[in-house]
Amino acid sequence: GENVEQHPSTLSVQEGDSAVIKCTYSDSASNYFPWYKQELGKRPQLIIDIRSNVGEKKDQRIAVTLNKTAKHFSLHITETQPEDSAVYFCAAKYEVTGGGNKLTFGTGTQLKVEL
Amino acid sequence: NAGVTQTPKFRILKIGQSMTLQCTQDMNHNYMYWYRQDPGMGLKLIYYSVGAGITDKGEVPNGYNVSRSTTEDFPLRLELAAPSQTSVYFCAAADTMNTEAFFGQGTRLTVV
Repeated sequence: GENVEQHPSTLSVQEGDSAVIKCTYSDSASNYFPWYKQELGKRPQLIIDIRSNVGEKKDQRIAVTLNKTAKHFSLHITETQPEDSAVYFCAAKYEVTGGGNKLTFGTGTQLKVEL
Repeated sequence: NAGVTQTPKFRILKIGQSMTLQCTQDMNHNYMYWYRQDPGMGLKLIYYSVGAGITDKGEVPNGYNVSRSTTEDFPLRLELAAPSQTSVYFCAAADTMNTEAFFGQGTRLTVV
């Protein structure tokens, strides 16, 4: 099965600085890598995703990079704002033998943006 | 579209009691998942389903059961509640083509 490791577990940055969260995965067959943001007491919500045929994707202040050879992917948030404070989860999806697919999550990064 | 709806939002169970966590989606998605999230931890997959009539175990299935009689509904059953099952439970749904998973608002379960 898939194993996803995420670092760091906590990250504190000053408003306006950049934040980077890194994940590694174990199954080379994984082909879809979403990032979710979870605000306190709320449900996880997708903020950006990348598929295995793409190396980088950007959406305004957030970007994700994927290195398939090294089996790692990263989330980059530029010009951080207080509302970016949340827990961020990376995930990897892979096809299960016999059909279906599973989404395996990292353990999360608590991002705090300080004024 | 309501998306993914879970009930109840909160529940306190006594050890040994049973309950069913309800999950329903109106997006006609084939894939549905149940996750548990322990405090300060990530999401662990309990069970998943690729379509009506098909279910399979995830990483932490012990103590749980599921059924998928319709595309819309994917209930999670706890037969003999234990304190180790105290957690927040999330149901999610995903389409086979667009693989984004949409989450319900969660059920906070406490077993005492």
